[in-house]
Amino acid sequence: DGGITQSPKYLFRKEGQNVTLSCEQNLNHDAMYWYRQDPGQGLRLIYYSQIVNDFQKGDIAEGYSVSREKKESFPLTVTSAQKNPTAFYLCASSIDSAGPGELFFGEGSRLTVL
Amino acid sequence: DAKTTQPPSMDCAEGRAANLPCNHSTISGNEYVYWYRQIHSQGPQYIIHGLKNNETNEMASLIITEDRKSSTLILPHATLRDTAVYYCIVRRYGNKLVFGAGTILRVKS
Repeated sequence: DGGITQSPKYLFRKEGQNVTLSCEQNLNHDAMYWYRQDPGQGLRLIYYSQIVNDFQKGDIAEGYSVSREKKESFPLTVTSAQKNPTAFYLCASSIDSAGPGELFFGEGSRLTVL
Repeated sequence: DAKTTQPPSMDCAEGRAANLPCNHSTISGNEYVYWYRQIHSQGPQYIIHGLKNNETNEMASLIITEDRKSSTLILPHATLRDTAVYYCIVRRYGNKLVFGAGTILRVKS
């Protein structure tokens, strides 16, 4: 079935360690997004990519990095520079970023920093 | 994109219609109204969107007032599985989706 797969679902990390969250889609979508969600709050955009080999910072990009080497993959690295990384991370994709923009979301990755 | 205002929470009896309001008084002519929902600990799910006409699909109906300053999402026969956070978002095509805090809908038996 087509969709978005995020892994791992749960991840624990020690302070000072980088961690990479995987996001893969088989929907043939051009645009991909990473959001962060903290308890009781809405989603905040970290990074987005409209096309392969191109990406832009969202509202809270500091301490994060991404790559878009393949259309179907958009991994997010949470670096040690991110001061409060414990959160729920959601990856999404859409056919393109210029049109109606129905976003399809993955099931999320929950990161806990110990 | 225009800002939206939603009530923080609402209750609805199972089997009844759930009417979720959203105010977007600063909406401009080329901005669409989107609704998503998020069931606990899952990714958000698209429900519906519209510009100025009322819209209906298999999940819900979207009623937009004539002046477009507010809208209502209607779930015609709410079930326990509809308990979720519902987000109303105003967006111009090509702009990012910005999620607010949404409305927590609790469907009770």
